Amino acid sequence: EAGVAQSPRYKIIEKRQSVAFWCNPISGHATLYWYQQILGQGPKLLIQFQNNGVVDDSQLPKDRFSAERLKGVDSTLKIQPAKLEDSAVYLCASSLGGNQPQHFGDGTRLSIL
Amino acid sequence: QKEVEQNSGPLSVPEGAIASLNCTYSDRGSQSFFWYRQYSGKSPELIMSIYSNGDKEDGRFTAQLNKASQYVSLLIRDSQPSDSATYLCAVNIWSLDSGGGADGLTFGKGTHLIIQP
Repeated sequence: EAGVAQSPRYKIIEKRQSVAFWCNPISGHATLYWYQQILGQGPKLLIQFQNNGVVDDSQLPKDRFSAERLKGVDSTLKIQPAKLEDSAVYLCASSLGGNQPQHFGDGTRLSIL
Repeated sequence: QKEVEQNSGPLSVPEGAIASLNCTYSDRGSQSFFWYRQYSGKSPELIMSIYSNGDKEDGRFTAQLNKASQYVSLLIRDSQPSDSATYLCAVNIWSLDSGGGADGLTFGKGTHLIIQP
């Protein structure tokens, strides 16, 4: 079974620019998550989707971050404008739901200059 | 506020010995518990999941859960150099409020494990 796909793998931008990340979950997984992992920390949940609806975005900095999952499959996460503190790895995960484990993609490493 | 605490290490263990990794959590409503392994520059990889009190064994790995003490641990037997990585403890709550899905995971900062040849 194919895993969670993410792109791009790496991105370097200057502060105040915008950037977007893409995620394709494991086939059949209704629940999709975006996490931010800063160096030396555990991943932190940004947003959770159930099909194409948002379940939890309480930790998403909504003044600069946005995310969508229009058809209940692929998802995009956008940052506009980027700040230096947004330098991190952005991880996408998916699960079947309930208490089933979450499986992570390879992540996108974002560097802000 | 959900919190998950782990000793950041590094934890150094001789090859062939048992590595013991510990984790405590603050939310008594936590229902699902996971251990992920993360190699440097890679994404987290699921190692074990445990949902009820007691031990769960899978190969060289044993997860132990004690909900009364809000404590979960991971034992790695016959440690190999390839086990050197950061081990992340994660917990979540599954509820109908999540629309039938699981809440997002709350992670600890991870324990850096070094297996010495």
